[in-house]
Amino acid sequence: QVNLKESGPALVKPTETLTVTCTVSGYSLNNTKMGVSWIRQPPGKALEWLAHLFSNDERSYSTSLENRLTISKDTSKSQVILILTNVDPTDTATYFCARSRGGGLFDPWGQGTLVTVSS
Amino acid sequence: DIQMTQFPSTLSASVGDRVTITCRASQTIYSWLAWYQQHAGRAPKVLISKASSLESGVPSRFSGSGSGTEYTLTINSLQPDDFAIYYCQQYSAYPRSFGQGTKVEIK
Repeated sequence: QVNLKESGPALVKPTETLTVTCTVSGYSLNNTKMGVSWIRQPPGKALEWLAHLFSNDERSYSTSLENRLTISKDTSKSQVILILTNVDPTDTATYFCARSRGGGLFDPWGQGTLVTVSS
Repeated sequence: DIQMTQFPSTLSASVGDRVTITCRASQTIYSWLAWYQQHAGRAPKVLISKASSLESGVPSRFSGSGSGTEYTLTINSLQPDDFAIYYCQQYSAYPRSFGQGTKVEIK
């Protein structure tokens, strides 16, 4: 059974870099079917897809954020990492990671980690 | 990029009602559409895949339909646990995209 769990700082200052980590269990990141996406949700707002890491290490990014985002993995730790640079208060959100399956739907999801950007 | 327009944004209904939520894509997505349910403070849960396939364990009162650019989620005989926010998501192309969500609230 695949399980994902996000972790990261609760508070980040404007202009700083945000790093959130998704720890995957029950499935190997080396598996050819194991792709992971990051999705965020500002408080009270809709879901926003951010980035995807394919099993072959290819990446895809949100068009509006691609110049600030980097997604990568540490296979030895079974982790997928998302880096967002130069944050501002509009980046305040719960950040979710989710496995992509069935051609691209998301299941399962992690519980999410709330990151607040404030000075 | 494919834009997903979902409506209504809010829907007031009573237990036992039948409700329908619509999602429209800015270009054809060939039925590569999923529907999710999200309760407050929880991660989304997938209900429907490939526009109309009910996911394992999801009650049969949920159904999906549509093709091309227009898709619907129908909930027959609304139950108390169904009051939540629903999102559509296209997975026809990258970047992936979600609809703006529909809040189903108690009338």
